[in-house]
Amino acid sequence: DADVTQTPRNRITKTGKRIMLECSQTKGHDRMYWYRQDPGLGLRLIYYSFDVKDINKGEISDGYSVSRQAQAKFSLSLESAIPNQTALYFCATSGLGSYNEQFFGPGTRLTVL
Amino acid sequence: KNEVEQSPQNLTAQEGEFITINCSYSVGISALHWLQQHPGGGIVSLFMLSSGKKKHGRLIATINIQEKHSSLHITASHPRDSAVYICAVYAGGGADGLTFGKGTHLIIQP
Repeated sequence: DADVTQTPRNRITKTGKRIMLECSQTKGHDRMYWYRQDPGLGLRLIYYSFDVKDINKGEISDGYSVSRQAQAKFSLSLESAIPNQTALYFCATSGLGSYNEQFFGPGTRLTVL
Repeated sequence: KNEVEQSPQNLTAQEGEFITINCSYSVGISALHWLQQHPGGGIVSLFMLSSGKKKHGRLIATINIQEKHSSLHITASHPRDSAVYICAVYAGGGADGLTFGKGTHLIIQP
């Protein structure tokens, strides 16, 4: 089984809808991240969390919120989806330590019509 | 903010060729990640390095901290190496996520 899983893998929704993307990990890592990938722009950090009580905004957090329900679960929400949030979303985890390798989930392809 | 530049953006080569992908960054870092993204979208970590050189199979990664530059080499390239290769660096104190290059799209033709 994959160490980092994301659900759903694909989602098509309409403008204004609330969407939640979920990430679960079995690696026992404390640190979890949400990134989005857009063609020609590369990956960008949305939010990151060092533990259940520690949530931090990344480079492009506007329009998104997150919840760290447990060490193993980190959810990303779009309260009111808009078309320019159409992208590929990745969850990643890393262990303790300043510069640990990150492990990525398979990605969620989100389309907002 | 660290700027991460990769070159080339696109590379097509014949099977067996030696491949080099370059990565430069603007602000001193402590660690750099090389990642591989397959056509299906999944991202796999290849290397994480902070100095010198690492080798895994046909892949070799080098970094020169003073020159703010890293290279990824593929020896005896194969069509299954076709993917997007992404360089990423730890910005700030290292605990706040990665800053990514835009990737190098590599195609190896049989």
